[in-house]
Amino acid sequence: KQEVTQIPAALSVPEGENLVLNCSFTDSAIYNLQWFRQDPGKGLTSLLLIQSSQREQTSGRLNASLDKSSGRSTLYIAASQPGDSATYLCAADRGSTLGRLYFGRGTQLTVWP
Amino acid sequence: NAGVTQTPKFQVLKTGQSMTLQCAQDMNHEYMSWYRQDPGMGLRLIHYSVGAGITDQGEVPNGYNVSRSTTEDFPLRLLSAAPSQTSVYFCASTGLAGYNEQFFGPGTRLTVL
Repeated sequence: KQEVTQIPAALSVPEGENLVLNCSFTDSAIYNLQWFRQDPGKGLTSLLLIQSSQREQTSGRLNASLDKSSGRSTLYIAASQPGDSATYLCAADRGSTLGRLYFGRGTQLTVWP
Repeated sequence: NAGVTQTPKFQVLKTGQSMTLQCAQDMNHEYMSWYRQDPGMGLRLIHYSVGAGITDQGEVPNGYNVSRSTTEDFPLRLLSAAPSQTSVYFCASTGLAGYNEQFFGPGTRLTVL
């Protein structure tokens, strides 16, 4: 079974700070690792997908890295804004069960002006 | 493309009632799945399907049935609702070849009294 852990569980920062959200997984035989954003009472919005052959992906102020050998992924948010406030979820699949995602419990981010 | 759609958005049931949560996608994805999200538990897989006519159980399948008669639709049936099934339900889909980004529906918030 794939177990995914996210640290920290909650984070509160002032606007403008650069942030690092951490995700670790137990089974390194993954195909994909995906980061999602979830606003309160809403669904999941895909932010970045890193395939196992890649080491990082970037989208705007977001950068996600993947280190399969250590079982870690990091989501870096540059110059945080109040609009970034949400819960960020990390999900990894497992090579033997393509398509099935294993989720961490998320990091609840608050960015205050 | 509408992506992944779910109906209804909200539902209140009494213990013992049955109902069907609808999920549809228009991306011709082979893989579809249902998750439930509970506070402090993260998202857990209920059932999944790798194609029309093929379904299998996930982590928490008890009390739920699924079928996949078409590529587009993947309904989730609650046979006899229980208060423990109060949760937010998400449907997701992805292709099984190439870039396997998962797309999620907006969710159904279910309360069982």
